Amino acid sequence: DIQMTQSPSTLSASVGDRVTITCRASQSISSWLAWYQQKPGKAPKLLIYKASSLEYGVPSRFSGSASGTGFTLTISSLQPDDFATYYCQQYNSFPYTFGQGTKLEIK
Amino acid sequence: QLQLQESGPGLVKPSETLSLTCTVSGGSISSSSYYWGWIRQPPGKGLEWIGSVYYSGNTYYNPSLKSRVIISVDTSKIHFSLKLSSVTAADTALYFCARMRADDTFDIWGQGTVVTVSS
Repeated sequence: DIQMTQSPSTLSASVGDRVTITCRASQSISSWLAWYQQKPGKAPKLLIYKASSLEYGVPSRFSGSASGTGFTLTISSLQPDDFATYYCQQYNSFPYTFGQGTKLEIK
Repeated sequence: QLQLQESGPGLVKPSETLSLTCTVSGGSISSSSYYWGWIRQPPGKGLEWIGSVYYSGNTYYNPSLKSRVIISVDTSKIHFSLKLSSVTAADTALYFCARMRADDTFDIWGQGTVVTVSS
């Protein structure tokens, strides 16, 4: 299985901050990487697919990038609604696997 | 718009079979563009893909669960289901059903249903 490792596990930030979350794959997954946002007790929401493509309806302050087996999710200016847990997911090969999550907290 | 809703028992005894149904409304399971999947999340933990099914019945399973899992599409084509046999406490989780697009991302999710395995 492809292991997905996210960092940091927890991130404290303030409204208006620029934040970056990192995800690293244990082997090449090309650009087959998605990012999801999850709020407590709710279903995940797809934000980014194919490493850098913004899902329809997702604010443009979210962006994704890739370099080799490393991927980043950047939020350019944090809004109150953005405090949540973020997961990366690889869909290069079965079984699809997720990172362990990054909890974005209010500082 | 398309909505998914999970249903099934919230409590299952150890060694028994967990059975969940996902009802699709506002659209059709028979669309050739999508697979339909199950994902679970143990309390306080991350997400685990269980498996996915096509409307024709073709399936893909997580090897870690494959010996215990059956995912199928109902002939009505408005439900698909998950059966997980020989459950233990480790199968206690929030179970989601979701639509999987042609690019293999999960774009529409149900609200999730909690299943607890306990005697």
